[in-house]
Amino acid sequence: DIQMTQSPSSLSASVGDRVTITCRASQSISSYLNWYQQKPGKAPKLLIYAASSLQSGVPSRFSGSGSGTDFTLSISSLQPEDFATYYCQQSDNTPLTFGGGTKVEIK
Amino acid sequence: EVQLVESGGGLVQPGGSLRLSCAASGFTFSSYWMSWVRQAPGKGLEWVADIKEDGSEKYYVDSVKGRFTISRDNAKSSLYLQMNSLRAEDTAVYYCARDHIDGVETRFDYWGQGTLVTVSS
Repeated sequence: DIQMTQSPSSLSASVGDRVTITCRASQSISSYLNWYQQKPGKAPKLLIYAASSLQSGVPSRFSGSGSGTDFTLSISSLQPEDFATYYCQQSDNTPLTFGGGTKVEIK
Repeated sequence: EVQLVESGGGLVQPGGSLRLSCAASGFTFSSYWMSWVRQAPGKGLEWVADIKEDGSEKYYVDSVKGRFTISRDNAKSSLYLQMNSLRAEDTAVYYCARDHIDGVETRFDYWGQGTLVTVSS
């Protein structure tokens, strides 16, 4: 199985900050990497697919990059509604696997 | 508007069974792979199983193989998860999700609200 490792597991940031979250795969997954946002008590929401493509309706302050084993999710200017947990997910191989999550909290 | 609505969760004893359902609307259900994804309390996301558009292919995470069965009824736009021999570690919120597939790349583009399964004596 492909292991997905996210870092950090949590971070504190202020509104307006630039935030970067890293996801590393245990083997190359090309660009088959997606990012989700989850708020407490809610279902996950797709933000980025195929490493860098923005899902329809997602604000442009979200962006993704990377290929192979190393990927990043960036939020250019953190907004109050962005405080949530973020997960990466690989779709190169079954079983589809997720990273452990990164919780973005208010500083 | 795409909607996925899960039902069937609840409290069950270890070794028991439960059948989850997911009612889909707002899209052509028979044209999409579908998945179940679960989340244990306070934990991360875990893909459980998925099923091809016509039900001819099914895949499972190792931890549920032989115990869980995914199925669908395209005439009813419904997805199911039959869970047998339940264990405490199966306790989780179970989400129904639509698979959007482009070649090899798969993403979960719509999710239901989830249904809680608690396995406890």
